[in-house]
Order: sequence, then C-alpha cells, then structure tokens
Amino acid sequence: AQKVTQAQTEISVVEKEDVTLDCVYETRDTTYYLFWYKQPPSGELVFLIRRNSFDEQNEISGRYSWNFQKSTSSFNFTITASQVVDSAVYFCALKVRSGGSYIPTFGRGTSLIVHP
Amino acid sequence: DSGVTQTPKHLITATGQRVTLRCSPRSGDLSVYWYQQSLDQGLQFLIQYYNGEERAKGNILERFSAQQFPDLHSELNLSSLELGDSALYFCASSVSDLNTGELFFGEGSRLTVL
Repeated sequence: AQKVTQAQTEISVVEKEDVTLDCVYETRDTTYYLFWYKQPPSGELVFLIRRNSFDEQNEISGRYSWNFQKSTSSFNFTITASQVVDSAVYFCALKVRSGGSYIPTFGRGTSLIVHP
Repeated sequence: DSGVTQTPKHLITATGQRVTLRCSPRSGDLSVYWYQQSLDQGLQFLIQYYNGEERAKGNILERFSAQQFPDLHSELNLSSLELGDSALYFCASSVSDLNTGELFFGEGSRLTVL
C-alpha cells in the first residue's frame, strides 16, 4: 500500500524567510507520480506541480522549488522569501495504479503561516 | 477557477438525516472523484466514477453512495448522518480514469451535522 507522510503539521515563519515543507512517500511501484497542492483559506485545492518517478530533475518556478530524491523517497517543497499570501495548507500526494485507475493518496498536509 | 462546480457550498443538518451533494466536472472530463476532508482524517478518497461507471472505491461508508449520470455530473448521497460525518467534501475531475496528471478540485461542500 502507498503512503505519504508530511511530518510537519504546522510551520510558522516571518515574511521573507525561506521555508521547506517535507514529504516522504512509500510505494512498491516503480511507476508513480508525485504532486503538491495548495489549499488557501478559501478552501479549494490548487495544483502546484507534478513529477513522475522517472524524472528526478529538480524544478524551480519563481519562488517555488521542488527537490525530488528517489534514494530517500522524498519530494520536498521550498518557498524562498515567503510572503503572507503563501499562508495555506500544502498537501503532497502520490499516485500509483490501483486496479483500473490512478488514485491519489494525500498526506495530512502542512499548515504554513507566514507572519508579516 | 478550476471549472469544477460543487453545490451546496454549506449545509447544516441533523443526525439521522440524508443529504445529497452535487458535482459538475470540468467540461470534457469524464472521471469524477470524491474526497472527504476532516481534521482528524485528512483528505480521504471515497470513490471514483468514469463515464458513468464506478472505477475505484476507497474508505466510503456503507451509509454513503454515489453515482455519475449520463451528463457526467455526480452526486454523493450521505444517509443516517452522524456527528462524525461533519467534514468538507470535495469533488475532483480529470479527463480519464487512467489520468496520471493532476486532479481539478471544486471548492468543496461543507457539511455540518448537529
């Protein structure tokens, strides 16, 4: 069975600090997909990034960067120079094939609070 | 705006009652997923439909049922409601059942059982 662990329940930082959200996953499948979603106070989950198991290249998008390491089964997310608008709950998710579908399994989420 | 529409946004009801949550997927998406988000359980997968057929089942209680209609909208029926059913219920959609990409989520339906 697959599992996603986000050990950090809540992180509190001051604006302009860098912050890293950890994600550790477990699966026996060799083909899988990893995701990060953001859930702002409004409630809707917003997709941030997708990475497949064959692509360990790290990615940077503006102030956001992701570090995928298969050796440690981790897919960590770093926000550089955090802003108040980054305050949200962030979910890491893992998709593996289960029967006839790919069903995402989500971590419990990390609540990020950015203080001005 | 993800293009996924959920109604109602908020619902307050009493224990023992039955409610129906509705979801309209993005235009062109054939697959619909239902998730329950509660403080103690996180985001739990309930059930998936693809083009009207059930595709995958997660931790869905027997008191809960769902269906997807020919126009692709889906309904989640929750019956004999208990206090513990209070949660945010999300619908998400994707193009296919074997979609390896991201899901598109609605804003959720917040259910409060008193």
